[in-house]
Amino acid sequence: AQSVTQLGSHVSVSEGALVLLRCNYSSSVPPYLFWYVQYPNQGLQLLLKYTSAATLVKGINGFEAEFKKSETSFHLTKPSAHMSDAAEYFCAVTSRSSASKIIFGSGTRLSIRP
Amino acid sequence: GAVVSQHPSWVICKSGTSVKIECRSLDFQATTMFWYRQFPKQSLMLMATSNEGSKATYEQGVEKDKFLINHASLTLSTLTVTSAHPEDSSFYICSASEESHGYTFGSGTRLTVV
Repeated sequence: AQSVTQLGSHVSVSEGALVLLRCNYSSSVPPYLFWYVQYPNQGLQLLLKYTSAATLVKGINGFEAEFKKSETSFHLTKPSAHMSDAAEYFCAVTSRSSASKIIFGSGTRLSIRP
Repeated sequence: GAVVSQHPSWVICKSGTSVKIECRSLDFQATTMFWYRQFPKQSLMLMATSNEGSKATYEQGVEKDKFLINHASLTLSTLTVTSAHPEDSSFYICSASEESHGYTFGSGTRLTVV
């Protein structure tokens, strides 16, 4: 069975500050890991994904995440927050098959203070 | 890039009627499609997985007779909410997957049953 746990349902940072959204996974097989962003009443946009190549994954909009097997973590970071980063962020896990279902974490709402 | 079109984006229906939601992969053939449900301020919960030409696999607790899924071609899957009730009001999101494109999500359908 696979699962992800997102620590912190709500994170608030100042504009220009570091963004850190935490995700820990559980998987009995080598996982694929994803971070998605969702704006209100919209679908999901893929920020980045880990598929067993480089452990440090760079995504869109300046986000990156590092796969740490020893810590079973895949935290999302961005050096400098922008107001436009305010949204809901979901960490997700699946096994290495396009037919495998994606399991989502509970989500973290990111707020940006002016 | 891969695009998944989901229609309608929102729908209001009367209690007891049925509603059909379409999910199309526009520029690729999706071997597998997934249907998710999202309640306000919550994560995405997988409802079912469908493969072209075969019966959908429903997650535990999802009523297959209420949420009819048809995957008639490699580019189209439909979700029909039968005899809808107010508790079926939710945000429904589809996802299509294919080996080279990974997972692509539709923009979601906001269903309101009155």
